[in-house]
Amino acid sequence: AQSVSQHNHHVILSEAASLELGCNYSYGGTVNLFWYVQYPGQHLQLLLKYFSGDPLVKGIKGFEAEFIKSKFSFNLRKPSVQWSDTAEYFCAVETDSWGKFQFGAGTQVVVTP
Amino acid sequence: SQTIHQWPATLVQPVGSPLSLECTVEGTSNPNLYWYRQAAGRGLQLLFYSVGIGQISSEVPQNLSASRPQDRQFILSSKKLLLSDSGFYLCAWSLGGRGEQFFGPGTRLTVL
Repeated sequence: AQSVSQHNHHVILSEAASLELGCNYSYGGTVNLFWYVQYPGQHLQLLLKYFSGDPLVKGIKGFEAEFIKSKFSFNLRKPSVQWSDTAEYFCAVETDSWGKFQFGAGTQVVVTP
Repeated sequence: SQTIHQWPATLVQPVGSPLSLECTVEGTSNPNLYWYRQAAGRGLQLLFYSVGIGQISSEVPQNLSASRPQDRQFILSSKKLLLSDSGFYLCAWSLGGRGEQFFGPGTRLTVL
């Protein structure tokens, strides 16, 4: 069965530290890949997406992600986090033409001042 | 611009009571519509999706049902709620079969 794994459930780090969140998926075909973020009390919103082309994609708020096809991974990175990056982050994989997403369990990130 | 609405925002219902959650999308036509349930530590679980009026696909067998009576309206229902139906329900839409999904604000359902 298809699945999406996020390696960390909780991450706590200080402001200005670098962040990397892992995401691996199990699906052998063509995929579209997404990272969503949910700030406290707000809607889920898109951080970035990968459909094709350059495997290094840049999103909003200084986030980027790298698609490594051979590793079935789509890891999210930010070189220097801010307190406002405190949120829950979800990786999602779209595998079929109906637009069905498979989400990871999410990673709660807490950035301390 | 497109917007998505869900109501109610919160709901407390007794076990065995019926449920109706509504989702509407504005500013677009013929969207794909989705219902998810979000549980802490478990991400988002797709419950239903719809590619058109009256077309509903269920992903997970359960106590819930969905309907799409109009192009931009998606309803999640239950005849008799169970305790296990408690959770955070999210509606989402997308254009076409592949691409970004846009999420609503969600409904927090507590079944007592």
